[in-house]
Amino acid sequence: DIQMTQSPSSLSASVGDRVTIICRASQSISNYLNWYQQMPGKAPKLLIYAASSLQSGVPSRFSGSGSGTDFTLTISSLQPEDFATYYCQQSYSTPRTFGGGTKVEIK
Amino acid sequence: EVQLVESGGGLVQTGGSLRLSCAASGFTVSSNYMSWVRQAPGKGLEWVSAIYSGGRTYYGDSVKGRFTISRDNSKNTLYLHMTSLRAEDTAVYYCAALIAAVAALDSWGQGTLVTVSS
Repeated sequence: DIQMTQSPSSLSASVGDRVTIICRASQSISNYLNWYQQMPGKAPKLLIYAASSLQSGVPSRFSGSGSGTDFTLTISSLQPEDFATYYCQQSYSTPRTFGGGTKVEIK
Repeated sequence: EVQLVESGGGLVQTGGSLRLSCAASGFTVSSNYMSWVRQAPGKGLEWVSAIYSGGRTYYGDSVKGRFTISRDNSKNTLYLHMTSLRAEDTAVYYCAALIAAVAALDSWGQGTLVTVSS
């Protein structure tokens, strides 16, 4: 199985900050990498698919990059509604494993 | 509008069985990749199972041999039949679908809580 490792597991940031979350795969997954946002008590929401494609309706302050084993999710200017937990997921092979999550908290 | 509504969760004893349902609207279950993802209390997301449009099914190692994913085309509904339940199966179970995105789950239900207790 492909292991997905996210870092950091949590971070504190202020509104307006630029935030970067890293996701590493245990083997090459090409660009089969997705990012989800989860608010407390809610279902996950797709933000980015295929490493860098923005899902319809998602604000442009979110961006994704990377290929192979190393990926990043960047929020260019953190907004109050962005405080949530973010997960990466590989869709290269089954089981389609998730990273452990990164909780973005208010500083 | 695409909508997924899970049901069937609840409290079950260790070793028991439960069937979760996911009623879909706005798209055809049999034409899309469908998946179950779970989240134990306070923990991260865990991929559980999936069924492709062609009918092929896949399972995570933790549920293989105990859970079965299926669909009823006439009801446009996805199911997860869970047997030999363990305490570690306690989680919110989400139904999710790949509708338009490339190899990603772009539509999710609200989740249903399964609690396994002795």
